[in-house]
Amino acid sequence: GQQLNQSPQSMFIQEGEDVSMNCTSSSIFNTWLWYKQEPGEGPVLLIALYKAGELTSNGRLTAQFGITRKDSFLNISASIPSDVGIYFCAGNTGNQFYFGTGTSLTVIP
Amino acid sequence: GAVVSQHPSRVICKSGTSVKIECRSLDFQATTMFWYRQFPKQSLMLMATSNEGSKATYEQGVEKDKFLINHASLTLSTLTVTSAHPEDSSFYICSARGGGGGTSYNEQFFGPGTRLTVL
Repeated sequence: GQQLNQSPQSMFIQEGEDVSMNCTSSSIFNTWLWYKQEPGEGPVLLIALYKAGELTSNGRLTAQFGITRKDSFLNISASIPSDVGIYFCAGNTGNQFYFGTGTSLTVIP
Repeated sequence: GAVVSQHPSRVICKSGTSVKIECRSLDFQATTMFWYRQFPKQSLMLMATSNEGSKATYEQGVEKDKFLINHASLTLSTLTVTSAHPEDSSFYICSARGGGGGTSYNEQFFGPGTRLTVL
């Protein structure tokens, strides 16, 4: 199926730094979702966005639904070692879900 | 809420045998469940969409006779890998679409995955 353009592909950052990643699509989505996957586990839903322009926070995580409905970003503030993992975006058209290629995050203590 | 379980978490089998993986939505009913395959350091590859009480819809290139999917109830879907071969070794993940029990229809909730190794 279709995959979303997610960037960056990987990030190596120092503990305490902020992180930003984004997803873009040629299609309009009704919902944007952000997941985190740790090694050997299934993805866990972090944030769900339902309206264009919506900005939602979950602890140190903040995500926004782009106004054009074709993009979304996820920010992590003051990163900590347990933020390590692969972050996936997903867009929902109502009928189908499409996933990003993932951003691998490494936090250096 | 929105917990999805998968069993087994790991399975090792001999080539030519069949393996069944169960996916359960524990605290909500899921009309639709999805089965994904994931290779190391790659994204999720959708294999099939399973709707309760009807035949699964398979993605292009996925052999429906090899990957049998049954969605017998609103909380259980199974994936059976028939006549498994080493190239079937992978991480298989199921997910359930929300819509009941306080969950949104526009969200997917994933199981913890099953690591299949075929010798």
